[in-house]
Parts: sequence; C-alpha cells; structure tokens
Amino acid sequence: SQQGEEDPQALSIQEGENATMNCSYKTSINNLQWYRQNSGRGLVHLILIRSNEREKHSGRLRVTLDTSKKSSSLLITASRAADTASYFCATDQATGNMRFGAGTRLTVKP
Amino acid sequence: EAGVVQSPRYKIIEKKQPVAFWCNPISGHNTLYWYRQNLGQGPELLIRYENEEAVDDSQLPKDRFSAERLKGVDSTLKIQPAELGDSAVYLCASSRYSYNEQFFGPGTRLTVL
Repeated sequence: SQQGEEDPQALSIQEGENATMNCSYKTSINNLQWYRQNSGRGLVHLILIRSNEREKHSGRLRVTLDTSKKSSSLLITASRAADTASYFCATDQATGNMRFGAGTRLTVKP
Repeated sequence: EAGVVQSPRYKIIEKKQPVAFWCNPISGHNTLYWYRQNLGQGPELLIRYENEEAVDDSQLPKDRFSAERLKGVDSTLKIQPAELGDSAVYLCASSRYSYNEQFFGPGTRLTVL
C-alpha cells in the first residue's frame, strides 16, 4: 500500500514558471523525502525534511512540511525543460515503514 | 564512489519460470531496499534490510518471493514461480542508515510472458 498521495497527478507549465506539487500522507512520520525520476531512469534524491522541520531549501527547490495537516509541498522555481520528470514523495513512517506515493508527472515546455 | 549496481538490466521469462535479481549497494551502506515499480506508479517497497536483518518485509508476497542479504552486503531477490502480474521494474536502493537519503540503482526490467 502507498502512503503518500501526490497532487496533481500531472502538471504542465512553461519554462520559467514555478511548479508546485503537493503530498499528503496518513500516519505519523520521522521524515519525508522528495525524489525525481526522469523517464526510464532511476530515482534521484532531491531533499529530506525531518518531522520537526517546517521548511527546507536546496537551490531552486523549496519544501514545506505541515505535520498537523499531514502534508508537504515541493516548489520548483524558475523551471527549466530539464526539470521534466516524475516527482515522488516518500515517507519514513514512525512505525519504521517506508512508503512512496504515486507521483506527479511534470512537463516543462520550452 | 560507485553507485548501486544491479543485474541483469533486463529479463524476459515465461510464466512459472524462476528469476533472480542481484544488487550490490554502495560500500558502507547498512540499509538495503528492494522495490517494485509498475508503469506510471511509485515504487512499492518489498523488503528493507538493516545489515543482514530484514526489518520491513510486510509487502513481500512470501508465497513466491524470497530475498537474502548474506554478510550484510549484496542481496538477491528471487521470484519462483513468476506470474504475468510480476512484470515490472525491480529497483534496489541503499542508504547509510535507515531514514537517510536513498541511492537507487538503475533497476531490472522484468517481462513475464
């Protein structure tokens, strides 16, 4: 069973625009991670945010975490065509289980 | 630093045949994960090892799937017998410890005919 639910399932934007993806989950977590997967390739870790953190930045990425709402968001600013990929959130549950969501497929048009 | 190595990259078998996948994690990584990913979906955890111990195998279909991680280094995932619904990409990942960043291998694409 998958823990995280990403929203939207698909997102199409123009180069230079910002992209926001959301992730909701059901149980208490230790941390939440975001990964990127280019078509036909392996997953690449983007950022990890712990349950006691509210916001983290990495380059053009900004992740927020609201444990009271059991949700997280990933913002990619000034998007590029190379950002076209699927983005997954993954939760490390307090029970010790690790679960991925179904992903958001982002298309950035040049 | 070498990444996570998986073999084979592709495998085509007929249903009811056995198949095995091999994974060599990044050196020094204590935690190893096996995932199954179906087209258009996120990875589904099959089993997580901390060193030699399987600590999360709740989603492993134990009637046909088995895994081992001898000496706490590389690992093998086996399916016997394979079914049509097992067609998927099987991903291996490793991390220094649980709850850390995971590094994924390229995966093995399994097709069951």
